[in-house]
Amino acid sequence: GENVEQHPSTLSVQEGDSAVIKCTYSDSASNYFPWYKQELGKRPQLIIDIRSNVGEKKDQRIAVTLNKTAKHFSLHITETQPEDSAVYFCAVNLGNEKLTFGTGTRLTIIP
Amino acid sequence: GAVVSQHPSWVICKSGTSVKIECRSLDFQATTMFWYRQFPKQSLMLMATSNEGSKATYEQGVEKDKFLINHASLTLSTLTVTSAHPEDSSFYICSARVTDTTRNEQYFGPGTRLTVT
Repeated sequence: GENVEQHPSTLSVQEGDSAVIKCTYSDSASNYFPWYKQELGKRPQLIIDIRSNVGEKKDQRIAVTLNKTAKHFSLHITETQPEDSAVYFCAVNLGNEKLTFGTGTRLTIIP
Repeated sequence: GAVVSQHPSWVICKSGTSVKIECRSLDFQATTMFWYRQFPKQSLMLMATSNEGSKATYEQGVEKDKFLINHASLTLSTLTVTSAHPEDSSFYICSARVTDTTRNEQYFGPGTRLTVT
């Protein structure tokens, strides 16, 4: 089955700086790569996603890049704000509908 | 759009009893729903895939007779934890996939925190 690794597990960033979280996956047939943000005790919320036919996607301060050859994709958050503090999960979809999640990154924005 | 509700949001039950959790897609139809459990500070672990009108597909290691799933309509799936034990205490989250073969997005419910005493 698909194996997804996520790094780092924790990340502290000064407010206003950028944060980058990276995920690697094992199955080259994977074709959909979403990122979720989960605040404590709440539901995961889809913040951005990318499909395998695209290399980069941006939505305001959030961007995702995909390197299919190397089988990794990254979440980039620029101009970080305190409300960005949360746990972020990457996920990978093989086209069979199931999502395989990464282990999560706890992001803390330091005011 | 793409709102998923879950009920109850939390429940406390005694060992040996059963608990039913409902997952509803409020503004879209969902042929497929998913059930996850999440332990504190851990990732989401897929338990089963719920397909409308057919039997659920369970992940390896998940007991189908203990975690009963019913997906009777395009907007409702239920998870029943039977003969619950303290080790079943966890955060259970459902998600629903938009019924459109060109889309992959899954939207999550708010979760149900189950405590078995």
